[in-house]
Amino acid sequence: EAEVAQSPRYKITEKSQAVAFWCDPISGHATLYWYRQILGQGPELLVQFQDESVVDDSQLPKDRFSAERLKGVDSTLKIQPAELGDSAMYLCASSLRRDRAVSPLHFGNGTRLTVT
Amino acid sequence: EDQVTQSPEALRLQEGESSSLNCSYTVSGLRGLFWYRQDPGKGPEFLFTLYSAGEEKEKERLKATLTKKESFLHITAPKPEDSATYLCAVRRSTRTQGGSEKLVFGKGTKLTVNP
Repeated sequence: EAEVAQSPRYKITEKSQAVAFWCDPISGHATLYWYRQILGQGPELLVQFQDESVVDDSQLPKDRFSAERLKGVDSTLKIQPAELGDSAMYLCASSLRRDRAVSPLHFGNGTRLTVT
Repeated sequence: EDQVTQSPEALRLQEGESSSLNCSYTVSGLRGLFWYRQDPGKGPEFLFTLYSAGEEKEKERLKATLTKKESFLHITAPKPEDSATYLCAVRRSTRTQGGSEKLVFGKGTKLTVNP
């Protein structure tokens, strides 16, 4: 069964350093999401792409976070500079997009970020 | 504002002891309610999508139901391997930013099934 690939699985970084996460969605999935999940909480959307275009980044802290999906396939999420409060699981998900259908999100296994 | 509230936060069952998890939601223009299972250190795994009140879906020992205000995940004769956190999420259409369809999650119910 096709999966969403994410790397790295774990990342430890010091406060004020830069960090980047990579995601490769399921082949053919036009919609890609980045979510953040704090321990004990549900995932919260950071950014959503439709192909290479951002369609929702209203919850993305744009002073330090950036995301791109240049060719409409894989995606990178960057944090610079990292802060202690950024410690969380960063999840990537993808879904098919059909005009009038609602398709489920399929998640990768995430990147666990620890900021020291 | 869309809200999803799951209860209880944690549930301990004995193997074979059936129970239900609750997901209450407030959303305008529901376009799907989703149930996911999440194991420690892993991403959520899709279980079900429900679209309209009265709809039911089943998978092995799990059965999901939907009303206009809440959804239930019924677990029949659970086994230890059913231990996980179960997440509920709702999706609605937003007419801003070219059709974003946010998925809003609850905090989850952590289920432990003892042998």
